[in-house]
Amino acid sequence: NAGVTQTPKFRILKIGQSMTLQCTQDMNHNYMYWYRQDPGMGLKLIYYSVGAGITDKGEVPNGYNVSRSTTEDFPLRLELAAPSQTSVYFCASRSGLAGVETQYFGPGTRLLVL
Amino acid sequence: GESVGLHLPTLSVQEGDNSIINCAYSNSASDYFIWYKQESGKGPQFIIDIRSNMDKRQGQRVTVLLNKTVKHLSLQIAATQPGDSAVYFCAENGGTASKLTFGTGTRLQVTL
Repeated sequence: NAGVTQTPKFRILKIGQSMTLQCTQDMNHNYMYWYRQDPGMGLKLIYYSVGAGITDKGEVPNGYNVSRSTTEDFPLRLELAAPSQTSVYFCASRSGLAGVETQYFGPGTRLLVL
Repeated sequence: GESVGLHLPTLSVQEGDNSIINCAYSNSASDYFIWYKQESGKGPQFIIDIRSNMDKRQGQRVTVLLNKTVKHLSLQIAATQPGDSAVYFCAENGGTASKLTFGTGTRLQVTL
């Protein structure tokens, strides 16, 4: 299994541009998550999904959108990039089985908005 | 809102010594806790977890201790190695199985 994969690894955006961060998992996990990590800080939850067709807001959803059309994919959309969205973005997944709460993370996407 | 925090932002230990990384949590509803290791430029990697019905759980060279009375969590690493150098995060589930709340992290530096 490749686990959780993310593309791109790094991207520079101009203010106002849009982009989609891709996340795919091959573990047949029901739950998927998007976090952002600012320098020297912990992870803040942006959006999450408990299954295909179901998404919900996390702690910092403003400026982002998500969709979950398949179990495997959970893309994160930035519509109007702002400097405050400069961060490292991590996608994670977990199985959703009762009692199994471990989340597995992808390698991250580093985003710079100028 | 309630949050998870860490006592020390940076911990420096000599190779071969034991490391103890501490974490305070404030959400009394949390019943699941987890430690992650994050190396530079990589995503967080699972180390060990513990449920609130346990006080201690051991893995390979790592032990997690949970003190619910004072809402304190610790990660002990035995015989610390240079490869243990990383940022360590604790996280709690806040009583809900679907989400985790992360602390700000402690950087562990292993000196030779």
